[in-house]
Amino acid sequence: AQKVTQAQTEISVVEKEDVTLDCVYETRDTTYYLFWYKQPPSGELVFLIRRNSFDEQNEISGRYSWNFQKSTSSFNFTITASQVVDSAVYFCALIPYSGAGSYQLTFGKGTKLSVIP
Amino acid sequence: DADVTQTPRNRITKTGKRIMLECSQTKGHDRMYWYRQDPGLGLRLIYYSFDVKDINKGEISDGYSVSRQAQAKFSLSLESAIPNQTALYFCATSAPGPNTEAFFGQGTRLTVV
Repeated sequence: AQKVTQAQTEISVVEKEDVTLDCVYETRDTTYYLFWYKQPPSGELVFLIRRNSFDEQNEISGRYSWNFQKSTSSFNFTITASQVVDSAVYFCALIPYSGAGSYQLTFGKGTKLSVIP
Repeated sequence: DADVTQTPRNRITKTGKRIMLECSQTKGHDRMYWYRQDPGLGLRLIYYSFDVKDINKGEISDGYSVSRQAQAKFSLSLESAIPNQTALYFCATSAPGPNTEAFFGQGTRLTVV
């Protein structure tokens, strides 16, 4: 069975600080897909990024960057120069691909990030 | 208009009542899902449907049922609501394949008293 662990339940940082949200995953499948979603205080979930298990390149999008390391089964998310608008709950999620076709998203429990002005 | 619309957005109901949460999507995707979010537990899958004739139980389907009325509509029912079903419920849709992101509705906050 697959599992996603986000060990940090809540993080508080002061605006402009950098912050890294950790995500560790478990799956027996060699092919899988990892995702990050953001849930702002308004409640909806917003897709941020997708990464497949064959692509270990790090990705940067503006102030956001993602570090994928298969050796440690981690897919960490860093926000540089945090802003108040980054305050949200962030979810890491996994879809293992075994070829059976179910493709179910398994979510971590989320990390609540509070950015203090 | 939102890609995924859930109604109602908020609902308070009494223990033992039957309640239906509705979801419609305009993405044209075949796949639809119902998740439940509880504080500290993340999102857990209740039911999912890969097309109109395909309904599957998720991790926590007990006490829930679903109906896929059309490609765009997927409703969740609580046959006899109980207080521990108080939660935030999300509907989602995605295109086929494991590498596609899910699009979520804005959620329905359900309180069972």
